[in-house]
Amino acid sequence: AQKVTQAQTEISVVEKEDVTLDCVYETRDTTYYLFWYKQPPSGELVFLIRRNSFDEQNEISGRYSWNFQKSTSSFNFTITASQVVDSAVYFCALSPSGGYNKLIFGAGTRLAVHP
Amino acid sequence: NAGVTQTPKFRVLKTGQSMTLLCAQDMNHEYMYWYRQDPGMGLRLIHYSVGEGTTAKGEVPDGYNVSRLKKQNFLLGLESAAPSQTSVYFCASSYYGLPPKNIQYFGAGTRLSVL
Repeated sequence: AQKVTQAQTEISVVEKEDVTLDCVYETRDTTYYLFWYKQPPSGELVFLIRRNSFDEQNEISGRYSWNFQKSTSSFNFTITASQVVDSAVYFCALSPSGGYNKLIFGAGTRLAVHP
Repeated sequence: NAGVTQTPKFRVLKTGQSMTLLCAQDMNHEYMYWYRQDPGMGLRLIHYSVGEGTTAKGEVPDGYNVSRLKKQNFLLGLESAAPSQTSVYFCASSYYGLPPKNIQYFGAGTRLSVL
C-alpha cells in the first residue's frame, strides 16, 4: 500500500519558536519522490520542495529545512524562528515511480503561528 | 504569470443540478489533474489526463466526468450534484517526464456547496 501519514492535525506556536512537521510514508517502490506543499489561508497550494528517494541529504532554504530518512520512512519539515506568515496548512505528498506523476497526499497539518 | 486558472471560484448548487468547472493552464503542460479537498482527508484525485483527448479515473471518480478537448483546458462536470460533492476542487498540471518536470502546479481552487 502507498500512504502518507501526517499525525499532527494542528500545531500552535508563538512567533520565533522552531516547529517540526512530521511526515511518514509507505511505499514498496525503490524510486519515488516526496513533496511538501503549503496552503496559506488564501487557499492555493504552493510547491515548497521535492526530494527523490536516492538523495537523503538534508536541505535548507532560508528558515525552512527538510530531513529525509529512508530508514524510518520519514520526510520531516522544520521551520526555524517561525513567523505569522508561516501560518498555513502544510501537506506532505508521495509520488511513486512511473505513470502520470501521481501524488498521494497526507491529511495535512494546520500550523498557527501567534504573535 | 497566469499559471493554472480555475473558474468559477465559488458556486452553490441545488441537489440534482449540473455544472462544469473549467481549468486552464498556460504552461504547455501535458498532464492535468482534478482533485477534491475535504476536511481531514487531504487532496484526493478525481480524474486526470495525460494528453489532449485522453482521460483516466483517479481515486474518487464516481459522480464526475471530465473532458480534455484542448491541451490547455481540462473540464470537470457534475451531471447531478449531490450534497456529498460539497468540497473544494483543485486543478493541477505538470509536464511529462523526469524531474524537474514532475512538479504539479495548482490552481486557486473552486469552493462548491451542494444544498
